[in-house]
Amino acid sequence: AQTVTQSQPEMSVQEAETVTLSCTYDTSESDYYLFWYKQPPSRQMILVIRQEAYKQQNATENRFSVNFQKAAKSFSLKISDSQLGDAAMYFCAYRSGDYKLSFGAGTTVTVRA
Amino acid sequence: EAGVTQSPTHLIKTRGQQATLRCSPISGHTSVYWYQQALGLGLQFLLWYDEGEERNRGNFPPRFSGRQFPNYSSELNVNALELEDSALYLCASSLRLAGADTQYFGPGTRLTVL
Repeated sequence: AQTVTQSQPEMSVQEAETVTLSCTYDTSESDYYLFWYKQPPSRQMILVIRQEAYKQQNATENRFSVNFQKAAKSFSLKISDSQLGDAAMYFCAYRSGDYKLSFGAGTTVTVRA
Repeated sequence: EAGVTQSPTHLIKTRGQQATLRCSPISGHTSVYWYQQALGLGLQFLLWYDEGEERNRGNFPPRFSGRQFPNYSSELNVNALELEDSALYLCASSLRLAGADTQYFGPGTRLTVL
């Protein structure tokens, strides 16, 4: 079974600054997918970014980018130019070959105005 | 394009009763997934349906069951409700196509068991 670990329960960032959320995972598979989802207080889980394990290039999506280190099994999310609307719980997720997502415990991001 | 929809938004039941939760996937998506988000337990995979068949099941007792209809909508049934079944139940849908199988989530159904 895959294990996803998010070691930071909470992170706080000043508006317009940058914050990095860490995620590590444990797997014996060579082909898999990694995701970051955000869940604001409204509860809707929203896709932030996706990374295919076979791609060496780190995924970026506007102000969101990842640092994918396959050998280290690390998948961190960087939020640049943080905005008040970025405040949410962020979940790192691993998708295995059986299509199920395994989630980390989540990191609550607070944005200070 | 409409996203994943779930109904009802909230559901209150008493212990021992049955609960039925519904999910409509994004148009064109054939796969539906169910997850449980319980306080203190995080997000856990429950079930995966594709093309009307159950494809994978998480570590949950048999009283958690469901089905997928010909229009790809899905129902999750929880029988003999227990207090610890109180949780947010999230449904997600995807295409079953390599490279295009990202799961998109609905707003969830909050189940409270009294």
